[in-house]
Amino acid sequence: AQKITQTQPGMFVQEKEAVTLDCTYDTSDPSYGLFWYKQPSSGEMIFLIYQGSYDQQNATEGRYSLNFQKARKSANLVISASQLGDSAMYFCAIPVRGSARQLTFGSGTQLTVLP
Amino acid sequence: DVKVTQSSRYLVKRTGEKVFLECVQDMDHENMFWYRQDPGLGLRLIYFSYDVKMKEKGDIPEGYSVSREKKERFSLILESASTNQTSMYLCASSLTQNTEAFFGQGTRLTVV
Repeated sequence: AQKITQTQPGMFVQEKEAVTLDCTYDTSDPSYGLFWYKQPSSGEMIFLIYQGSYDQQNATEGRYSLNFQKARKSANLVISASQLGDSAMYFCAIPVRGSARQLTFGSGTQLTVLP
Repeated sequence: DVKVTQSSRYLVKRTGEKVFLECVQDMDHENMFWYRQDPGLGLRLIYFSYDVKMKEKGDIPEGYSVSREKKERFSLILESASTNQTSMYLCASSLTQNTEAFFGQGTRLTVV
């Protein structure tokens, strides 16, 4: 079965600095995609970035980028120039094997940006 | 702007009550999902639907049922609410496996 591991329950970063949130996964699918979501205290899950396993380059989306290391099965999220509004829970997710539609989520990392 | 709307942000229900959580999406997505979120456990899939009147069990379907009579609407039903169903419930929809899921704002349900 697919498994997603986020080993950092909580992280702190100073405003304007960069931070890396870890995500490792276990899948036997030859082709898969990885998603990162942000959940502010308001509760809504916000899609941030997607990486396909066969994409040649690491995905980037504004201040968000993925450090994708396929051989190590890790897809760490890098947030550059942190802002106070980046304080939130962050989840990575991967499709469930054999399912065209389901995602399985990690347990999340609570990021706090300090002024 | 794409939108997934859940009918309530906060609900308080009594043990044994029948509870309906409604979700509507305006993106013409085939797939819709109900997740439950609890501290330290991440999101766990309760049920999902890939077409009208079609549904599949997720990881934790016990105590829940769902209904999808129209493409845009996916309802989660707690037949007889129990205190261990106190949780945050998130509805989502997606077009395909490799496109992002869009989430509603969540419903925080408390069963007393």
